[in-house]
Amino acid sequence: DAGITQSPRHKVTETGTPVTLRCHQTENHRYMYWYRQDPGHGLRLIHYSYGVKDTDKGEVSDGYSVSRSKTEDFLLTLESATSSQTSVYFCAISDLAGGPDTQYFGPGTRLTVL
Amino acid sequence: AQTVTQSQPEMSVQEAETVTLSCTYDTSENNYYLFWYKQPPSRQMILVIRQEAYKQQNATENRFSVNFQKAAKSFSLKISDSQLGDTAMYFCAFMKHGNYGGSQGNLIFGKGTKLSVKP
Repeated sequence: DAGITQSPRHKVTETGTPVTLRCHQTENHRYMYWYRQDPGHGLRLIHYSYGVKDTDKGEVSDGYSVSRSKTEDFLLTLESATSSQTSVYFCAISDLAGGPDTQYFGPGTRLTVL
Repeated sequence: AQTVTQSQPEMSVQEAETVTLSCTYDTSENNYYLFWYKQPPSRQMILVIRQEAYKQQNATENRFSVNFQKAAKSFSLKISDSQLGDTAMYFCAFMKHGNYGGSQGNLIFGKGTKLSVKP
């Protein structure tokens, strides 16, 4: 299994508060991704990173920001959480060395915004 | 834009029998990858099988195999000798080939099929 951890695993917060989710990998993979999973939608890409300090937006990036100051960590920040951001958040990693860009997922973080 | 459609929201199968999950996709790309991921109640996303579009041979991983029909844009998953541990949500996903990482590394997921294996 790919060495990916996410923290926290569960979080309950209130509307308007800032929240930061952390993804940590021990695989030294170049690419990292944040997805959210909602009922009836599968997984949708929020932001991704293709190297340290190199990030870009995905399909559902509004209300989210990311940072990657070192290879192993990719942070997702909700500047002011809203109830629509209640979701399960998954981090994924990939690297060319593993073959055709196969993504491996972390265990997920369940976020509830009240 | 690419889309992935899984037309079966739920399915059930008896233990030891065979079941096929359907997936269709829409793309104008010629080179791409297709994946099946499994999500058991633990919520972990687990790669089941992967298919490169340029390969005509269908991918196989133990009890899991695919029927890849490129012209029809169809990518079904067959599970043989179903086991209780196969109970999970199954997601079909698409990725464009090319510039690895970046937007072309983005997986496009279907909405999933919930599979229940009954004893």
